[in-house]
Amino acid sequence: EDKVVQSPLSLVVHEGDTVTLNCSYEVTNFRSLLWYKQEKKAPTFLFMLTSSGIEKKSGRLSSILDKKELFSILNITATQTGDSAVYLCAVPLPSGGSYIPTFGRGTSLIVHP
Amino acid sequence: DAGVTQSPTHLIKTRGQQVTLRCSPKSGHDTVSWYQQALGQGPQFIFQYYEEEERQRGNFPDRFSGHQFPNYSSELNVNALLLGDSALYLCASSFLYWQGDTGELFFGEGSRLTVL
Repeated sequence: EDKVVQSPLSLVVHEGDTVTLNCSYEVTNFRSLLWYKQEKKAPTFLFMLTSSGIEKKSGRLSSILDKKELFSILNITATQTGDSAVYLCAVPLPSGGSYIPTFGRGTSLIVHP
Repeated sequence: DAGVTQSPTHLIKTRGQQVTLRCSPKSGHDTVSWYQQALGQGPQFIFQYYEEEERQRGNFPDRFSGHQFPNYSSELNVNALLLGDSALYLCASSFLYWQGDTGELFFGEGSRLTVL
């Protein structure tokens, strides 16, 4: 079964709206949770979260982790058309003594002018 | 400082053929992971190479094989191509056998494979 689940799978908003993207995970020995933005091909790094309750911010984007409830949210305020992309969440899952970065299906965000 | 580079960017093959994709990691990185991303899906882990050895492998058949060279660059080989192998193949690099808590993975632009 899926270990990293993102919701919603798609979202259509207008410029200026605020959006909240969700990522829930099932993992023992949690190490981190990563958010990536994928516009065309290469996913680009947004945030890495390791501690619960500490918000990471970068401009209009912010993210927070809840290790007790096993989820993270990514907020984008005052959305712009340039925010249109697929947002991916990844959690390193333990495998054979190491960790495999495991991605969710992503949330496709479309921002209309 | 060059980032992760992949080649070719696009290629078309027919069923049964073989393909080799190439990846050069970001300068200073020594670990390379390969992912397959089908349309509308998240990247699926294929395998990871560190010190020229396959260290971890995802749920992919033996038709998928790889190699890492002394300069840390890597190849992904897929034999006996199937229609379902059509996807974007992404290479990601990191430093010191990424354990999930030592920073981000850097991705290349990917190789778009179409199997007819």
